[in-house]
Amino acid sequence: AQSVTQLDSHVSVSEGTPVLLRCNYSSSYSPSLFWYVQHPNKGLQLLLKYTSAATLVKGINGFEAEFKKSETSFHLTKPSAHMSDAAEYFCVVSGSNAGNMLTFGGGTRLMVKP
Amino acid sequence: EAQVTQNPRYLITVTGKKLTVTCSQNMNHEYMSWYRQDPGLGLRQIYYSMNVEVTDKGDVPEGYKVSRKEKRNFPLILESPSPNQTSLYFCASSLNGFLNTEAFFGQGTRLTVV
Repeated sequence: AQSVTQLDSHVSVSEGTPVLLRCNYSSSYSPSLFWYVQHPNKGLQLLLKYTSAATLVKGINGFEAEFKKSETSFHLTKPSAHMSDAAEYFCVVSGSNAGNMLTFGGGTRLMVKP
Repeated sequence: EAQVTQNPRYLITVTGKKLTVTCSQNMNHEYMSWYRQDPGLGLRQIYYSMNVEVTDKGDVPEGYKVSRKEKRNFPLILESPSPNQTSLYFCASSLNGFLNTEAFFGQGTRLTVV
């Protein structure tokens, strides 16, 4: 079985300050981990993915995440928030035998203040 | 343009009236899947399909049916909708599973059952 916990349902930052969205996972298998972003009234877009290569993963729009196996974490960071980053972010794990199941965290809504 | 297309985008219906939400992808993907999104719960998988004529249950299949007669289409059928199926639904596709491969999502169908 696998599960994902996003530790904050809402995060508010000021424009230009760092962003940290926290994610912890559990998986019985070697997991693949993803971060997806959902802008209002839009589908989900892949930000970045970890698939057992480098533990520090760089994604689009300046986001990156670090896979820490000992802490079972995959936190998403960005050095400087932009207004356009305001959206909902989902941490996702895939690790079942057949790789056919994505398990989503509950989501973190990021608000960016001017 | 590579995309996953869902229709309709918005639907209001009454309890017990059968409905179908269509999903089509133009990327020749083998894997397709349906999710529902509810506040605080992230996305939960309803059904998935690994190829034509191959479908299987996800985490929350009760009250739903699917079919995969052609590779590009994966409709979601609610035979007798109930108010607890009011939700935001997403269709997703992937080249060959979700373990290491990006999932592409449709723009969502917001369903209200009254």
